[in-house]
Amino acid sequence: NAGVTQTPKFRVLKTGQSMTLLCAQDMNHEYMYWYRQDPGMGLRLIHYSVGEGTTAKGEVPDGYNVSRLKKQNFLLGLESAAPSQTSVYFCASSYNRVHEQYFGPGTRLTVT
Amino acid sequence: AQSVTQLDSHVSVSEGTPVLLRCNYSSSYSPSLFWYVQHPNKGLQLLLKYTSAATLVKGINGFEAEFKKSETSFHLTKPSAHMSDAAEYFCVVRGGDSNYQLIWGAGTKLIIKP
Repeated sequence: NAGVTQTPKFRVLKTGQSMTLLCAQDMNHEYMYWYRQDPGMGLRLIHYSVGEGTTAKGEVPDGYNVSRLKKQNFLLGLESAAPSQTSVYFCASSYNRVHEQYFGPGTRLTVT
Repeated sequence: AQSVTQLDSHVSVSEGTPVLLRCNYSSSYSPSLFWYVQHPNKGLQLLLKYTSAATLVKGINGFEAEFKKSETSFHLTKPSAHMSDAAEYFCVVRGGDSNYQLIWGAGTKLIIKP
């Protein structure tokens, strides 16, 4: 039982490049979330999903897109990376909106 | 709207002494409150949660927190700090009509002196 895994762990991009972060969970959770963590701030919700085939915007969605084609996977895409997107990205999942969220180990992204 | 304020960005205590990490919240509804811990270069782990049952909540690793509605506080305590407690701690609130969303405090870095 791996819980929540994220790929890759580290990435360096040049401004304007694109990439996709992959989140996978093996707990059969309906809800999945993408957050970013910046120094001196708490986590901020980028996008979330309440089930396979659904996505919704969170607090800071601009510059990101997501897809949930399979229940166990939640992809976060950056179409044209900007230095302001340098951050640590965390994926989380939960059984429903009330239950505890379980977090992945994070992806450290640097955009130069 | 919900918000969370962690009153200290850094707290430094000696090993074996008590720990107090302070958190105040604002919520229009009856909130659910959480404390998460993040060890260096690790993911986030739930320490404890309050969901309108007992106001004194016990968590893992000897931590506990007390929900005080009159003071809108949810402070985290531990009687005796251990070196392994050095980490960043986040107070989190969930409430209102958008129950899916967690609102995070900025974090408190706990430093343990030998």
